[in-house]
Amino acid sequence: DIQLTQSPSFLSASVGDRVTITCRASEAVSSYLAWYQQKPGKAPSLLVYAASTLQSGVPSRFSGSGSGTEFTLTISSLQPEDFATYYCHQLISYPYTFGQGTKVDI
Amino acid sequence: EVQLVESGGGFVQPGKSLRLSCAASGFTFGIYAMNWVRQAPGKGLEWVSKIDGSGGSTYYADSVRGRFTISRDNSNDTLFLHMTSLRVEDSATYFCARDGRWQRMFEFWGQGTAVAVSP
Repeated sequence: DIQLTQSPSFLSASVGDRVTITCRASEAVSSYLAWYQQKPGKAPSLLVYAASTLQSGVPSRFSGSGSGTEFTLTISSLQPEDFATYYCHQLISYPYTFGQGTKVDI
Repeated sequence: EVQLVESGGGFVQPGKSLRLSCAASGFTFGIYAMNWVRQAPGKGLEWVSKIDGSGGSTYYADSVRGRFTISRDNSNDTLFLHMTSLRVEDSATYFCARDGRWQRMFEFWGQGTAVAVSP
């Protein structure tokens, strides 16, 4: 199984900060990587797919990059509504796997 | 508007069975692969199973293979997860999620249904 390791697991930040979350895969996943945002008590919501393509309706302050085994999700200027947990997700092979999550808190 | 609405969760004893449903609307259900993803309380996301649009191909996580069965009724736009031999560690909120049409992603998610397995 492909393991995804996110760093950091917890991030304390302020409104306006630039935030970067890293996702490392135990083997290459090409660009078959997605990022999701999840708020407490809610379902995850798709932010980025194919490693760097922003889902329709997602604010442009979010961006994704990377390929192979190392990927990043960047929030250029953190907004109050961005405090949430973020997950990376590989879809190159079964079983699909998720990173352990990165909680972005104040 | 795409909507996915899960139901069927509840309290069940270990070893028992439960069937979850996911009612879909707002899109042509039969052309999309569908997934189940679960999340134990306070934990991360775990992919459980996937079924292609026709229902002819299915995939499972090792943790549920042989105990859970994914299926779909394209005439009624509904996805199912039949769970047998339930274990305490199967306790989680179960989400259904729709694949993208041409891209690999979980484009839409339901709100989830909670399953609690306890003696």
